[in-house]
Amino acid sequence: GAVVSQHPSRVICKSGTSVKIECRSLDFQATTMFWYRQFPKQSLMLMATSNEGSKATYEQGVEKDKFLINHASLTLSTLTVTSAHPEDSSFYICSARDEVAGSSYEQYFGPGTRLTVT
Amino acid sequence: EDKVVQSPLSLVVHEGDTVTLNCSYEVTNFRSLLWYKQEKKAPTFLFMLTSSGIEKKSGRLSSILDKKELFSILNITATQTGDSAVYLCAVEAGSARQLTFGSGTQLTVLP
Repeated sequence: GAVVSQHPSRVICKSGTSVKIECRSLDFQATTMFWYRQFPKQSLMLMATSNEGSKATYEQGVEKDKFLINHASLTLSTLTVTSAHPEDSSFYICSARDEVAGSSYEQYFGPGTRLTVT
Repeated sequence: EDKVVQSPLSLVVHEGDTVTLNCSYEVTNFRSLLWYKQEKKAPTFLFMLTSSGIEKKSGRLSSILDKKELFSILNITATQTGDSAVYLCAVEAGSARQLTFGSGTQLTVLP
């Protein structure tokens, strides 16, 4: 099956610094990638839809200036958490949709990035 | 606003039991309903359902969708301790085919 990787898997940073998380589709091209956030014992919440070559679409309540998304190629999207604060500590998961494989349009999830802001 | 509700929130059973997990939804421009299993990391795909009344089956797991009543169930028969996980239901909707997730059901299977 299709593989999506995320890097790093874990990151600890100090309050006020910025952190970049990469999401790559390894064996397929993804015009659309999605970024989710999951707090402990809660479900996945969609943050934004990342479109290759255009601006990301953010969900209501998600600050676009704080969570910068860049989808510069068909295999890479990045999420940068700017001026991170402890309340940004969470599990960030990306997914990519294989839009060439057929009509299933299945989303493949990356393994997630655990961000801890101290 | 799209909404997906799962029940129960948590369930504790013993090995060999059969469980039924529920998912109801209210969305605009429904496309599909998906079930995922999440252990410590990202969700892993179980089923994708698009048509009413057609059961999808994989080993001891099966699922069915009712598009008239807007719900789906996930059945697990002869449960094993390895089935312990959070089971997430998500609905794909809209032109961007975004997923809206339910809160999940935490299943614990005791030996």
